[in-house]
This record gives sequence, structure tokens and C-alpha cells, in this order.
Amino acid sequence: NAGVTQTPKFRILKIGQSMTLQCAQDMNHNYMYWYRQDPGMGLKLIYYSVGAGITDKGEVPNGYNVSRSTTEDFPLRLELAAPSQTSVYFCASSPTQDTQYFGPGTRLTVL
Amino acid sequence: AQSVAQPEDQVNVAEGNPLTVKCTYSVSGNPYLFWYVQYPNRGLQFLLKYITGDNLVKGSYGFEAEFNKSQTSFHLKKPSALVSDSALYFCAVRRDSNYQLIWGAGTKLIIKP
Repeated sequence: NAGVTQTPKFRILKIGQSMTLQCAQDMNHNYMYWYRQDPGMGLKLIYYSVGAGITDKGEVPNGYNVSRSTTEDFPLRLELAAPSQTSVYFCASSPTQDTQYFGPGTRLTVL
Repeated sequence: AQSVAQPEDQVNVAEGNPLTVKCTYSVSGNPYLFWYVQYPNRGLQFLLKYITGDNLVKGSYGFEAEFNKSQTSFHLKKPSALVSDSALYFCAVRRDSNYQLIWGAGTKLIIKP
């Protein structure tokens, strides 16, 4: 089982560029989440989804967009990248609202 | 508002000694409490959770946590620390009616041989 996969592992963007962080899970989980992790801080929820076609904002959604067209995939779109979006991004999935399974993360730097 | 506090940025323990990583929370309603571990350059891994029932919860790798409602705490413990337990530990909480987990800032656990 691959579990939760994320691509790319690393990326450097220039200010104003856009990109999509990919996340896929092969466990048929309904719930999926995007977090960002800043140094010395806990995880902050960006967006989440409770099933295909259903998404909702988390704590820090500004500057990001998501879609969930299939159960497996939950891409995160960054439009007009800013230095404040430099962070490590984690995708997670869950069969219920409880235990979450995390991907390995994407380290993004915006210069 | 929900919140989680991990009062120690870092905990240092000698191998073989017992360890405790502290977590306190504030939430209205029934709390769902979790501990996760993060090894360097890896995603978070689930350790254990408290939903209801016995206040002492046992989890992976010999870890356990005790739910204390009166002190609103959920401290992580292990009777005998291993060097391989060195990692970043996160406590998280959510209300029973809410999807979103609120995360603590993390505690770096260092086990010295």
C-alpha cells in the first residue's frame, strides 16, 4: 500500500508564480486534509474535504484553492505565491473523523 | 475557542528513564484527544487517541497517555525511553461535533544514551 503520496517533495517558486501540490491516497478514505507546518508552530488546517465534490475552508485558506473530483486525489493550488507561503505542506486522509494518515510532505520556498 | 498547549519546547531524558511529554487543552464539549509523532523529514504518525472510556490509553511503541478531565490534561508517557524515541511529538484536540483538529506547537523529545 502506498498510503498517502505527495508530489513534489521540494519546490522553489518566485513571488507571483502559481503551482499545484498533488496529493493522492489509495485507502479509499473519505476525509482528506491539507495542512501547513511552520517552524515552531503546530499544524494549521488550510482546507479539508469530507468526500468527492465536497470541500471546505480550514483555519488558513487565504491564497489557496482545492478541488476533490475523485476520492483518491486532493490537489492544493497556490495562486500568486507569496513569501508568507514558505512552509512545509502536509496532506492527510482519514476513514473517519479520527485517526489521520499523513503524506511525507512538500517543502515549498517562495523567493 | 479550542486550544492546545504543549508547555515544553524540548524534553531531555536519559535512555532507560521514564518520560513524560505534557499537553493541556481547552475545548467546550467532549474532547477527542490525540498524540502524533514526527521523525525528521517525515510526515506525522498516529500514536494514540482518547475518545471515551478508560482514562489510561495505550498506543504504539509502548507509549501511553492519561486523560485527566479535572486538569484538562493528556500527558504522554513511556516507562523506559529508547534513543529511537527521539522525535517531535504533537498533541491535538477536537470537539466531538467538529471536523477540525487543533494542534499543539510540538515538543522535541531527545533521548540521550
